[in-house]
Amino acid sequence: AQSVSQHNHHVILSEAASLELGCNYSYGGTVNLFWYVQYPGQHLQLLLKYFSGDPLVKGIKGFEAEFIKSKFSFNLRKPSVQWSDTAEYFCAVIPGPGNTPLVFGKGTRLSVIA
Amino acid sequence: IAGITQAPTSQILAAGRRMTLRCTQDMRHNAMYWYRQDLGLGLRLIHYSNTAGTTGKGEVPDGYSVSRANTDDFPLTLASAVPSQTSVYFCASSDSIGSGRFKGTQYFGPGTRLTVL
Repeated sequence: AQSVSQHNHHVILSEAASLELGCNYSYGGTVNLFWYVQYPGQHLQLLLKYFSGDPLVKGIKGFEAEFIKSKFSFNLRKPSVQWSDTAEYFCAVIPGPGNTPLVFGKGTRLSVIA
Repeated sequence: IAGITQAPTSQILAAGRRMTLRCTQDMRHNAMYWYRQDLGLGLRLIHYSNTAGTTGKGEVPDGYSVSRANTDDFPLTLASAVPSQTSVYFCASSDSIGSGRFKGTQYFGPGTRLTVL
């Protein structure tokens, strides 16, 4: 079965620290890749997505992610986090062609302390 | 444009009762999905529908059923609720492009918090 692994369950950072959240997937073919964010008490919102082209993808709120095909990875980064980035972050993959639903990772909770 | 609406917002239900969670989208998306979100387990797909009139099973379909009579609505039914179905349920939708490959982004509803006692 296809799977998506997020390496960190809970990350705690101080404001202005740099962030990198890991995401690896198991599917070997063509994939579409996503990062979603869920702020406390809210529903999931799209941060960024990769379908093709430049492997460095820029999203909203200063987030970016890099697709490294050889490593089956799509890590999320932000150079300087803010308290308002406190949320849960989900990596997700559409594995392959056809009408395939998203496969989500288990999520990483980010807590940013002032 | 409302996007995706879900009802009810929250519900407390006695075990053994039947419950239908409603989901409606106004984006004319082909595909719709139901997920449950549980602490430490992320989002798990329950059922999905690629287009009106078709449905498919996800990762955790047991105890749930869905129907897709039209493009806009995708209700999720718990025929006889059990405490392990206590969760937050999210509905989502996405469009398809070209030959059916889902390049479309999934958009999520606000969720329904269900407690089964």
